[in-house]
Amino acid sequence: QVQLHQSGPGLVKPSGTLSLTCAVSGGSVSSVNWWTWVRQAPGKGLEWIGEIYHNGAVNDNPSLKSRLTISLDQSTNQFSLTLTSLSVADSGVYFCARGRAAGAIDLWGRGTLVTVSS
Amino acid sequence: VMTQSPATLSVSPGDRATLSCRANETVRNYLAWYQQRPGQAPSLLIYDTSTRATGIPARFSGSGSGTEFSLTISSLQSEDFAVYFCQQYNNWPYTFGPGTTVDIK
Repeated sequence: QVQLHQSGPGLVKPSGTLSLTCAVSGGSVSSVNWWTWVRQAPGKGLEWIGEIYHNGAVNDNPSLKSRLTISLDQSTNQFSLTLTSLSVADSGVYFCARGRAAGAIDLWGRGTLVTVSS
Repeated sequence: VMTQSPATLSVSPGDRATLSCRANETVRNYLAWYQQRPGQAPSLLIYDTSTRATGIPARFSGSGSGTEFSLTISSLQSEDFAVYFCQQYNNWPYTFGPGTTVDIK
């Protein structure tokens, strides 16, 4: 079955850049799905970050303005998130996920705890 | 903006639980429910308002339309005590409600 395997740093400095990667196994990023990122601040709710389609189309959260880049690499069967100009408010668990064509998220990675601290 | 009520619901095993989710504008039927247990990723329970995801038991049901939605758990089992989030996917950016914690009474 399809699984999502996240990788990336757990500690990033303020004003730095976060780069997370999600590897898809048992399936293809070229399939008809939206590959998605969601985050959760400690003890808080879920925040939808953005999604990328197999053709490279991206929808993202305007609250992250120009700090966010979501990309997809069919050759490595991975998709990635890059978030710049980090602050403490960006700390939390980042999940990669698979969205159905209609938008609900039916598969989640295990999450990566990211702490923004000097 | 999505809101959920109550924030916490205390229920005894075997009881029925009804959770509410409200949107500030119509989301048509593009509404999902997720369950999150401590230390775990969320998991999809219901999508398109009322369709159970694969493997979800029949005691979970969803209803509503437009701006008012509900999730009902007909007879709570021990594994159902968790946090439940609703999510709209009618308008970008997709948004989640703040969650309802279902705990043991």
